[in-house]
Amino acid sequence: AQSVTQLDSHVSVSEGTPVLLRCNYSSSYSPSLFWYVQHPNKGLQLLLKYTSAATLVKGINGFEAEFKKSETSFHLTKPSAHMSDAAEYFCVVSDRRGGGNKLTFGTGTQLKVEL
Amino acid sequence: ETGVTQTPRHLVMGMTNKKSLKCEQHLGHNAMYWYKQSAKKPLELMFVYSLEERVENNSVPSRFSPECPNSSHLFLHLHTLQPEDSALYLCASSHGTGTEETQYFGPGTRLLVL
Repeated sequence: AQSVTQLDSHVSVSEGTPVLLRCNYSSSYSPSLFWYVQHPNKGLQLLLKYTSAATLVKGINGFEAEFKKSETSFHLTKPSAHMSDAAEYFCVVSDRRGGGNKLTFGTGTQLKVEL
Repeated sequence: ETGVTQTPRHLVMGMTNKKSLKCEQHLGHNAMYWYKQSAKKPLELMFVYSLEERVENNSVPSRFSPECPNSSHLFLHLHTLQPEDSALYLCASSHGTGTEETQYFGPGTRLLVL
């Protein structure tokens, strides 16, 4: 079975400082991994995804994530936070089993950006 | 915008009402999904349709009834709901159902059951 653990339910940073949102996964197969962002009263927007190509994945809005198989981690980073980054972030794993695209979501990390 | 629209955006209904949620995708995808997002809980997959056939039913109570008349439209028919069914219901679509496929989400319908 696959699972995702987002280690922090809330993260608070100052504008202009780095962002680190942590995610660990468990999967019996070679996984695909995603980060989605959800702004208030909006749906989920894809930030980036890993699908067994380069382990360092670059996404939109300056975000990137590194797939580390030995640590079973897929942490999301950004060098400099902006006020507009305040939102909820979800780490997601998708198993490479037969039978379809089954995503397992983490519980989310709420990012707060302060002046 | 992601190319996936949902209506209505907000819905309040009593436990004896019957209502339907609608999802439409303008991306040319052939797989569509319903998710439930409750407070303090991870997103839960409810149903998956691929090429208009249901391929996944994740132990969802029968008071939720999905319908996929074509690859662009997906409905969720609701009847005799319970207060614990209050949640944000999200629709998503993808090009296929392979595990590398990206799912694109709509803005959701916020449902309150009284």
